[in-house]
Amino acid sequence: GQNIDQPTEMTATEGAIVQINCTYQTSGFNGLFWYQQHAGEAPTFLSYNVLDGLEEKGRFSSFLSRSKGYSYLLLKELQMKDSASYLCAAMDSNYQLIWGAGTKLIIKP
Amino acid sequence: GAVVSQHPSWVICKSGTSVKIECRSLDFQATTMFWYRQFPKQSLMLMATSNEGSKATYEQGVEKDKFLINHASLTLSTLTVTSAHPEDSSFYICSAHLGGDRFSYEQYFGPGTRLTVT
Repeated sequence: GQNIDQPTEMTATEGAIVQINCTYQTSGFNGLFWYQQHAGEAPTFLSYNVLDGLEEKGRFSSFLSRSKGYSYLLLKELQMKDSASYLCAAMDSNYQLIWGAGTKLIIKP
Repeated sequence: GAVVSQHPSWVICKSGTSVKIECRSLDFQATTMFWYRQFPKQSLMLMATSNEGSKATYEQGVEKDKFLINHASLTLSTLTVTSAHPEDSSFYICSAHLGGDRFSYEQYFGPGTRLTVT
């Protein structure tokens, strides 16, 4: 079956770095998305990886290893506004997104 | 660019009535639109995929006669929750993508509609 695993909750300190891991198993693979979702709001796009390696975008970076079925989202210089849920989603061979349950990130001062 | 709107943003209705939620792509034509439901502290659950001019494809366990989806144009899809019950209370989110190449498979999300059935 198709499956996405990510931690349920993580806590980090303002100004620090946090890495949110995601492992996936899908029927075919057409890329890995990361979305940010604040409570009561819709998800917003953060990154898309389809090739192995690290893609950096400001304070956020996303890494993909296709052979390991593994991705991570790296958040640097954490700010209080980064407190949110981070959703990992893999796109299967039918271009359908398989969603993880989300990782709730709590930032402490 | 790539803005998706939803209307209404929140709605309260009585049990047994029907509610229509609109999803519009404002500055692009969406070949495919998706409808999700999200319960508190849970992830997105895909309900159905709709393509303009054709019948929606519903996910297993989603009643197509209860959740009516109409994708009448490349910029508008509607979800009607018929004979709503309190257990239908949820956050409903639509999304759209352009299709065509890998960058077009990014889904652009609407702001969501919070439905409360009393």
